[in-house]
Amino acid sequence: SQQGEEDPQALSIQEGENATMNCSYKTSINNLQWYRQNSGRGLVHLILIRSNEREKHSGRLRVTLDTSKKSSSLLITASRAADTASYFCATQADLQGGKLIFGQGTELSVKP
Amino acid sequence: DTGVSQNPRHKITKRGQNVTFRCDPISEHNRLYWYRQTLGQGPEFLTYFQNEAQLEKSRLLSDRFSAERPKGSFSTLEIQRTEQGDSAMYLCASSLGAASWYEQYFGPGTRLTVT
Repeated sequence: SQQGEEDPQALSIQEGENATMNCSYKTSINNLQWYRQNSGRGLVHLILIRSNEREKHSGRLRVTLDTSKKSSSLLITASRAADTASYFCATQADLQGGKLIFGQGTELSVKP
Repeated sequence: DTGVSQNPRHKITKRGQNVTFRCDPISEHNRLYWYRQTLGQGPEFLTYFQNEAQLEKSRLLSDRFSAERPKGSFSTLEIQRTEQGDSAMYLCASSLGAASWYEQYFGPGTRLTVT
């Protein structure tokens, strides 16, 4: 079963705008990761944030983590049409054998 | 290419048939995970191996499902007497170690369609 929820379920923006996706989870974690998936393709790892970190950047990506609220957000700045994809958060905990527990995803559409 | 590979990439089968998928992890990765993803959902954990030992199975893995990793290298996932509800993308991932600081690398997946 999924760990938590992502919102929005779908997001449509214009090229150049910022896109923000949120993820909530239920149990204690060691890290939270974000993945991208183009239609019908495999998962691409974007960024990992550890439970003792609050914010992390990678290129146009900014991830925040609030363990007290059990939530995370992914911000994509200056979006491009190529960013169109589904985005999933996934939590990982050593006590759970290291398996990833995914959210249901946000479908992002960036219109040129 | 030294990434995770999965075969076949697509499989169409009739209900009641058996199917087997193969996953070749990155060399020297001792952890191997199987996930299943249905349309519009995030991947769900099925099972994982530490070398050749299967350490955990999700309750999603009914008796019709079996997974092996006989020599601690490649893994196979077999579904017996397939049902239409088994139609999904089956994803394999591997990691160098067990701890959460080891990234899991995903293969391209095997898309199963049961008619």
